[in-house]
Amino acid sequence: GAVVSQHPSWVICKSGTSVKIECRSLDFQATTMFWYRQFPKQSLMLMATSNEGSKATYEQGVEKDKFLINHASLTLSTLTVTSAHPEDSSFYICSAAVQENTEAFFGQGTRLTVV
Amino acid sequence: AQKITQTQPGMFVQEKEAVTLDCTYDTSDPSYGLFWYKQPSSGEMIFLIYQGSYDQQNATEGRYSLNFQKARKSANLVISASQLGDSAMYFCAMREVYNQGGKLIFGQGTELSVKP
Repeated sequence: GAVVSQHPSWVICKSGTSVKIECRSLDFQATTMFWYRQFPKQSLMLMATSNEGSKATYEQGVEKDKFLINHASLTLSTLTVTSAHPEDSSFYICSAAVQENTEAFFGQGTRLTVV
Repeated sequence: AQKITQTQPGMFVQEKEAVTLDCTYDTSDPSYGLFWYKQPSSGEMIFLIYQGSYDQQNATEGRYSLNFQKARKSANLVISASQLGDSAMYFCAMREVYNQGGKLIFGQGTELSVKP
């Protein structure tokens, strides 16, 4: 299957700082990428849909100014958590959609801890 | 309204036995796909099996099979001959082609524990 690489796999940052998470499709072009957030023992909650060359579409209740998404190329989408707070601590995971394909390919996820 | 429902927060199964994980869904989109993913403690999402809404036969992948009952809107995952390595979270997910732009929506998950 196709490979999606997410970096970093874990990060610890101080309150008030910003953190950037990268999601790359290594062997295919992803016109659409999705960003999810997951709290322990809970489901994956879709945060936003990222389309190459256009603004991201955010789900209801997700602050677009806090979670900045950029999809500048067909192989890279980034999520920046701005002015991070301890409540932003979570597992963030991206997935990429392949046109004409059925499966969604996931990155390895990023465990963010804000102290 | 919840689009994907998994009613079993946790399940136990004896090693080598079969287990069924329940999943029901709700959609008005005539074209959709149903997925099952396994998530071990490492957090990675491992694709297990896929069923398209127009597929006539139930999907099978090795020890995994999907019991697709379209009229009842259910897509249960059956794992045969359970192994200790099957212990993980299992998520049912749905992608609606027309209504939601292709995004994958997940159920609450079922934590499966395989006993030796």
